[in-house]
Amino acid sequence: DAMVIQNPRYQVTQFGKPVTLSCSQTLNHNVMYWYQQKSSQAPKLLFHYYDKDFNNEADTPDNFQSRRPNTSFCFLDIRSPGLGDAAMYLCATRTEGVTEAFFGQGTRLTVV
Amino acid sequence: SQQGEEDPQALSIQEGENATMNCSYKTSINNLQWYRQNSGRGLVHLILIRSNEREKHSGRLRVTLDTSKKSSSLLITASRAADTASYFCATDPISNDYKLSFGAGTTVTVRA
Repeated sequence: DAMVIQNPRYQVTQFGKPVTLSCSQTLNHNVMYWYQQKSSQAPKLLFHYYDKDFNNEADTPDNFQSRRPNTSFCFLDIRSPGLGDAAMYLCATRTEGVTEAFFGQGTRLTVV
Repeated sequence: SQQGEEDPQALSIQEGENATMNCSYKTSINNLQWYRQNSGRGLVHLILIRSNEREKHSGRLRVTLDTSKKSSSLLITASRAADTASYFCATDPISNDYKLSFGAGTTVTVRA
């Protein structure tokens, strides 16, 4: 039933060690988002795709990269995680038009 | 930076009472959406209101939109313990396709 799937649900990584979070969707939506959400805060948009067109937020650190090899999959790469990158990372998808977004359950990243 | 601000930040009510929360935003929008987030989970879409609409209802939810004041309100009537969650507004700005940005959120606690 799950339409937007994020793996893993929990990820522990070492300070400075590259980590990749993944997101897949079965909805065939052409828009995909990555958000970072810290405790008791709003989701902060990192980047989004419209098909293959990549839109990076101006304040997204260079440490964060993304790949979307096809419609179904999207990856978030954190090249050198710092303690401040510990957060919940949320993936969402959306079809074009005036539509709602569908969210995955998130990946909670811990940096040790 | 986030698009909107919400108030109150937190709200505690008795079961059966109504809960009202407000959202303000900065730029002209295409539409405004409300989402709910249970603790540690992904976001779930509740309701969407277009920029040319002033009010919308869905079950126990009522949303208003005032584009002249750049504000929206969400009313939950006859609240239940299951409504305990964080509520976020999100906006699609006219200037950027599909850039869905979230406001700060209101944490609602419904006491039995």
